[in-house]
Amino acid sequence: AQKVTQAQTEISVVEKEDVTLDCVYETRDTTYYLFWYKQPPSGELVFLIRRNSFDEQNEISGRYSWNFQKSTSSFNFTITASQVVDSAVYFCALSEATGNQFYFGTGTSLTVIP
Amino acid sequence: DTGVSQDPRHKITKRGQNVTFRCDPISEHNRLYWYRQTLGQGPEFLTYFQNEAQLEKSRLLSDRFSAERPKGSFSTLEIQRTEQGDSAMYLCASNWDRGRSETQYFGPGTRLLVL
Repeated sequence: AQKVTQAQTEISVVEKEDVTLDCVYETRDTTYYLFWYKQPPSGELVFLIRRNSFDEQNEISGRYSWNFQKSTSSFNFTITASQVVDSAVYFCALSEATGNQFYFGTGTSLTVIP
Repeated sequence: DTGVSQDPRHKITKRGQNVTFRCDPISEHNRLYWYRQTLGQGPEFLTYFQNEAQLEKSRLLSDRFSAERPKGSFSTLEIQRTEQGDSAMYLCASNWDRGRSETQYFGPGTRLLVL
């Protein structure tokens, strides 16, 4: 069965601090995809990144970076120099190869304090 | 470029009433998904369509829930005889099937409150 665990329920940081959001997944599939979404207070889920299980290269996009490690079944998300606008709930999600269903974690609520 | 839209954005109803929500996907997307999100939880998959065919509905929460996508464009989600436990955010997402998992793009959701 597919499962995503985001153990950090809430995190608070002071603006400009770096913060890492953890994501651990479970799957028996050899081909799968991992995603991160941001849900600001407005409620709409905003896509951040998609990775497939064969691509373990870390990725950086501006202040965002992602660390994918198959050995530990983790796909962690780091925000450097956090800003108040980063305050939101962040979800990690997993899908099997055909993408029929997404399995979401319970989310991590990030508050960036000015 | 129009994203996924949902209507209404908010719905308050009394227990026992029927409600229907609409989702308009991104126009070129042939797959459409429905999710439910309760407070403090991640979205929970309910069902999905490829064009007008409903390919998975075993995860619908009960037989009070049904969904349609009659012409392969917009979709509706109906809840009959609503219960207080149905209070949640109902999210719609869409993407284009290329035989592999593609990013799902989400709408703003419909927040349902059952009194």
